[in-house]
Amino acid sequence: QLQLQESGPGELMPSETLSLTCTVSGDYMSTNSFSWGWIRQPPGKGLEYIGTVYYSGNAYYNPSLQRRVTISLHTSRNQFSLKLTSVTAADTAVYYCARHVPGTGWYRGPNWFDPWGQGTLVTVSS
Amino acid sequence: QSVLTQPPSVSGAPGQRVTISCTGTNSNIGAGFDVHWYQQFPGTAPKLLIYANTKRPSGVPDRFSGSKSGTSASLAISGLQAEDEADYYCQSYDSSLSADDFGTGTKVTVL
Repeated sequence: QLQLQESGPGELMPSETLSLTCTVSGDYMSTNSFSWGWIRQPPGKGLEYIGTVYYSGNAYYNPSLQRRVTISLHTSRNQFSLKLTSVTAADTAVYYCARHVPGTGWYRGPNWFDPWGQGTLVTVSS
Repeated sequence: QSVLTQPPSVSGAPGQRVTISCTGTNSNIGAGFDVHWYQQFPGTAPKLLIYANTKRPSGVPDRFSGSKSGTSASLAISGLQAEDEADYYCQSYDSSLSADDFGTGTKVTVL
């Protein structure tokens, strides 16, 4: 059964770079053509899409975060990562990683997210 | 700022049927991109509830159903149970954003 687990620092100072890693159980990354995504949720608020990295290593991002975000694939380690630069208090959130599953209809790009990691809280505070 | 709009809350008595709408535009739902739904309990990660508009993953009760028409989609919960009290989110791809987006979220309360 596929499982994902986020890891990284829980606290950051403003202007620092947020770095998180998602570890994928099993050999899914090297033997399957899946995409992998990051989503965040500020305390008490809704879900916000961050971005997705394709199995090719190419990535696409939420336009509102694009200037500051990089998602990378590390297939040999069964991991993918998130970097978000110049963080502020507004970046305080629970960060989730998830598999971004390709569709089976006319749009074969990444569609739904399943499964999700348990999430990790990142707090930005001085 | 989400491009997918949901009602902030819906409520119903046990056994009733409730529906949650997800209103989009011609660059997402109306363009033919599929809609997916997630259920989230407090303090836990979202869980896939409906994918590709109408399909249920293994283990999801058939009380949950999805539909899509035009620029909107809906999630219906029939035979509402106390355990259904949670937050629900829709999600789709938006061609003008060239990215995915989540709905604003709906809290379901069982009276």
